[in-house]
Amino acid sequence: QQKVQQSPESLSVPEGGMASFNCTSSDRNFQYFWWYRQHSGEGPKALMSIFSDGDKKEGRFTAHLNKASLHVSLHIRDSQPSDSALYFCAARETGNTRKLIFGLGTTLQVQP
Amino acid sequence: EAAVTQSPRSKVAVTGGKVTLSCHQTNNHDYMYWYRQDTGHGLRLIHYSYVADSTEKGDIPDGYKASRPSQENFSLILELASLSQTAVYFCASSGRGQDTQYFGPGTRLLVL
Repeated sequence: QQKVQQSPESLSVPEGGMASFNCTSSDRNFQYFWWYRQHSGEGPKALMSIFSDGDKKEGRFTAHLNKASLHVSLHIRDSQPSDSALYFCAARETGNTRKLIFGLGTTLQVQP
Repeated sequence: EAAVTQSPRSKVAVTGGKVTLSCHQTNNHDYMYWYRQDTGHGLRLIHYSYVADSTEKGDIPDGYKASRPSQENFSLILELASLSQTAVYFCASSGRGQDTQYFGPGTRLLVL
């Protein structure tokens, strides 16, 4: 079973719209989360990390973490065609390990 | 931003042959990682390293070896390449005090 599950698999929003991504962990040892974005033909690039309950906002991007439900979300407001990419959620356990576990990703298409 | 480079960017190999993928980072990061990306499996950790001359097994190490001859360089070695190792391979690095992993552009490997 995938330890980090993402939904939806794909998403299409109009330019200027809101894109929302969901991520759920099945392991309570996962306490640290990242969102990564990967454009076609490139390596993943970290968008933001979130380690505490609540919201974290960086520009057009807002992440939300609820540790009790092991749920993390990402919202992109005013979506642009350049936001079209594959979005990954990644989680790390507490402790000294540096290993990240990635979800399968959500493909976002922003329609001009 | 962290700079991670990979070579070659693409490679065609024959079944049973030896393949070496190279990764170089210029950011004085202690931690380096090798992942493979396959459709339907997301990103999976093969090997990682905390310090030069030492490597650790990740989640899918079978069929792969790793070498960390210096802090800047990390190689992934396929001694006997197989069809199932056709994938895109990514190298990443992270610093001691931060957890965000920075990825290279990837190497597309096709084993025939």
